[in-house]
Amino acid sequence: NAGVIQTPRHKVTGKGQEATLWCEPISGHSAVFWYRQTIVQGLEFLTYFRNQAPIDDSGMPKERFSAQMPNQSHSTLKIQSTQPQDSAVYLCASSYQDTQYFGPGTRLLVL
Amino acid sequence: GDSVTQTEGQVALSEEDFLTIHCNYSASGYPALFWYVQYPGEGPQFLFRASRDKEKGSSRGFEATYDKGTTSFHLRKASVQESDSAVYYCALGEGTNTGKLTFGDGTVLTVKP
Repeated sequence: NAGVIQTPRHKVTGKGQEATLWCEPISGHSAVFWYRQTIVQGLEFLTYFRNQAPIDDSGMPKERFSAQMPNQSHSTLKIQSTQPQDSAVYLCASSYQDTQYFGPGTRLLVL
Repeated sequence: GDSVTQTEGQVALSEEDFLTIHCNYSASGYPALFWYVQYPGEGPQFLFRASRDKEKGSSRGFEATYDKGTTSFHLRKASVQESDSAVYYCALGEGTNTGKLTFGDGTVLTVKP
């Protein structure tokens, strides 16, 4: 069991560029969650999917952020026109029996 | 909205000391409660959960009891080790088909040998 896989582990972008973050959930898990972690805000929920359908995106910034789950084996979080305040660790989790298991995160730095 | 409060931002102990990290929650429904631990460079790791009043969760010597009356889920360990040094998060989720987790601010535990 490889756990939740997130790629890349680190990403550096220039202000205004696009960033796409990938998540591969644990096989057999029905839900995928995205969170953002910063020193100031802590762990914040962004969005989640259940059986590939979007369920709750209440934590997503309304502009520039989007998430998809095209199949049961991966989900993507896309940030358009990245800004320095988007710098954070982006965490993906998949859940089994209502318990979430997290990946190692993608550390995004926007210069 | 739902919220979780961890009283201690940092805790410093020596090996074999007793650990308590306080967690109180505010929620409109009957949430499930969780403890996670995070090591540097890793995502949060699930420790254990409890879903109903008076239920005790436990793992690796850590334990907490769901107390609906005091809206608390305090983490305890009788004898900490240096390897327990990490950040501990209390979290709550909705009941059945738990959706998003709401996390506390985290407690940094440092254990000296």
